[in-house]
Amino acid sequence: DSGVTQTPKHLITATGQRVTLRCSPRSGDLSVYWYQQSLDQGLQFLIHYYNGEERAKGNILERFSAQQFPDLHSELNLSSLELGDSALYFCASRGMAGELFFGEGSRLTVL
Amino acid sequence: QKEVEQDPGPLSVPEGAIVSLNCTYSNSAFQYFMWYRQYSRKGPELLMYTYSSGNKEDGRFTAQVDKSSKYISLFIRDSQPSDSATYLCAMSAPGGGADGLTFGKGTHLIIQP
Repeated sequence: DSGVTQTPKHLITATGQRVTLRCSPRSGDLSVYWYQQSLDQGLQFLIHYYNGEERAKGNILERFSAQQFPDLHSELNLSSLELGDSALYFCASRGMAGELFFGEGSRLTVL
Repeated sequence: QKEVEQDPGPLSVPEGAIVSLNCTYSNSAFQYFMWYRQYSRKGPELLMYTYSSGNKEDGRFTAQVDKSSKYISLFIRDSQPSDSATYLCAMSAPGGGADGLTFGKGTHLIIQP
């Protein structure tokens, strides 16, 4: 168990809809990283928050947004969903040596 | 050229064999190298962490880094069916923590009983 918690584990929705994924980092960790994993693209970095502030953006679409709250949990919002958004979405928190500890992921299926 | 190249496999070997998994990279600034194991539909789990060049051993696992060749390896001795998973290499540069890690696409490993 990495200590990183993600909900929901699996969700199925329709194109054009909006969903919210939730992540709680390990106890004491201030950072949250979001990654998208699809079969053909591997793990793609989306966005990083540290102590409530956005620190870096990767390949995140404009239809996607995220925030980190004062209690350090983070939410990733995905809107105007397309079939191609179907993927596993992981969050991770960062250890002292720069390693990442991942949650179990949220599997999104867009029909 | 992708920053990190990793053969996707699948790589199928008999139980008990020594497994060699590899990644090449192009960014000479990378100094921190990691290997993750990911079971189907689960989150990546950190296996090994090395800094700069050299070897590191942990039980049946050995990680090697050759910075001059921009090449890293993970060796698994006495492989077990429970080692069947996807193995991802990951790396980062000093001060590169804001962008997280750069991952290979993963090698799917199958250990045949």
